[in-house]
Amino acid sequence: AQTVTQSQPEMSVQEAETVTLSCTYDTSESDYYLFWYKQPPSRQMILVIRQEAYKQQNATENRFSVNFQKAAKSFSLKISDSQLGDAAMYFCAYKLGAQKLVFGQGTRLTINP
Amino acid sequence: DSGVTQTPKHLITATGQRVTLRCSPRSGDLSVYWYQQSLDQGLQFLIQYYNGEERAKGNILERFSAQQFPDLHSELNLSSLELGDSALYFCASSVGDRTPYEQYFGPGTRLTVT
Repeated sequence: AQTVTQSQPEMSVQEAETVTLSCTYDTSESDYYLFWYKQPPSRQMILVIRQEAYKQQNATENRFSVNFQKAAKSFSLKISDSQLGDAAMYFCAYKLGAQKLVFGQGTRLTINP
Repeated sequence: DSGVTQTPKHLITATGQRVTLRCSPRSGDLSVYWYQQSLDQGLQFLIQYYNGEERAKGNILERFSAQQFPDLHSELNLSSLELGDSALYFCASSVGDRTPYEQYFGPGTRLTVT
């Protein structure tokens, strides 16, 4: 079974600094999808970024980028120029085709002004 | 706003009772997924429907059931409720079931069992 592990329960960063959230996963498949979701205090699940496993190029969305290491089964999220609105729980998730999302336990990110 | 709606937003009920959570997917989406999030945990997959048919089941309890109606809205029924069923229940929708489209989440229903 696929599993997703986020080893950092909590992280904090100074406003305007850069922070990296870690995620590892376990799968025997070669074609899959990885996501980072943000859950602010409102509890809404917001898609931050997605990565297709067949693509070697790391995905980027404005201040958010990933470091996808397929052989190492690692998928970290880098947030540049951190803003107060980035404070949230961040969940890493894996998906095989159109199947369910498998989530990690989350990392709570605090932004210090 | 993801376009996925869920009602009610909050639900408080007693142990042993039965409740129904409702989800309307985004316009054009045929697939609906239900997830459960307890406390500050990750989301656990419960069940998936595609165009009215059950597609996949996760660790859904026998006390829980779901269906998707011809208008594509879905309902999650929780019966014989226990304290441990208190959680945030999310519905997500996507366009298809054979293609890896993204899942868009509704705002969730917070269930409190007392």
